Amino acid sequence: GAGVSQSPSNKVTEKGKDVELRCDPISGHTALYWYRQSLGQGLEFLIYFQGNSAPDKSGLPSDRFSAERTGGSVSTLTIQRTQQEDSAVYLCASRGTGLNSPLHFGNGTRLTVT
Amino acid sequence: AQTVTQSQPEMSVQEAETVTLSCTYDTSESNYYLFWYKQPPSRQMILVIRQEAYKQQNATENRFSVNFQKAAKSFSLKISDSQLGDTAMYFCAFMRGGADGLTFGKGTHLIIQP
Repeated sequence: GAGVSQSPSNKVTEKGKDVELRCDPISGHTALYWYRQSLGQGLEFLIYFQGNSAPDKSGLPSDRFSAERTGGSVSTLTIQRTQQEDSAVYLCASRGTGLNSPLHFGNGTRLTVT
Repeated sequence: AQTVTQSQPEMSVQEAETVTLSCTYDTSESNYYLFWYKQPPSRQMILVIRQEAYKQQNATENRFSVNFQKAAKSFSLKISDSQLGDTAMYFCAFMRGGADGLTFGKGTHLIIQP
């Protein structure tokens, strides 16, 4: 079956512009996560959606970052007024309902802010 | 809060050798899960192996096995008969019991030399 799909694969934007990153999770997965991976670093948690519950936004680094998940499926991560320090790979993952179900990741979007 | 520490930023071994990647974690939880993920240059995060904390038996998946020492909070990954395709970043990750995300270490860059 299809895995987690992210688009675009790469995005170059100018400082100050807004960007939208898209994630299509695996069908039927109720949990969806966004992580950020900066060069040479591990994965930094950003936001977590679980079903119809309010999202866990505790990892968002600033109010320039927001995310939505429409219809319990597709998610969009929006970064407003991008800064150079926002340059990173943004990874999306989804997870099934089993208690120890692993996260399944997409290939990520590499964002470069010039 | 949970922390995951990978103390080896980079390792290099010859093809066919056995290599062990270290990981320690800190938590006050009693119910949790541990994972090793592989990230090749394609950026795809691939699940290598997982361990339930309540299980004493170490998990194995073909050439991959773990040494889980719960009292010491240690979770090392052993790769036997290493292959060129094993070259990648390896991330150790922790997940609390229940629907929750992962906390990742900073990763170990493993290079398999021909």
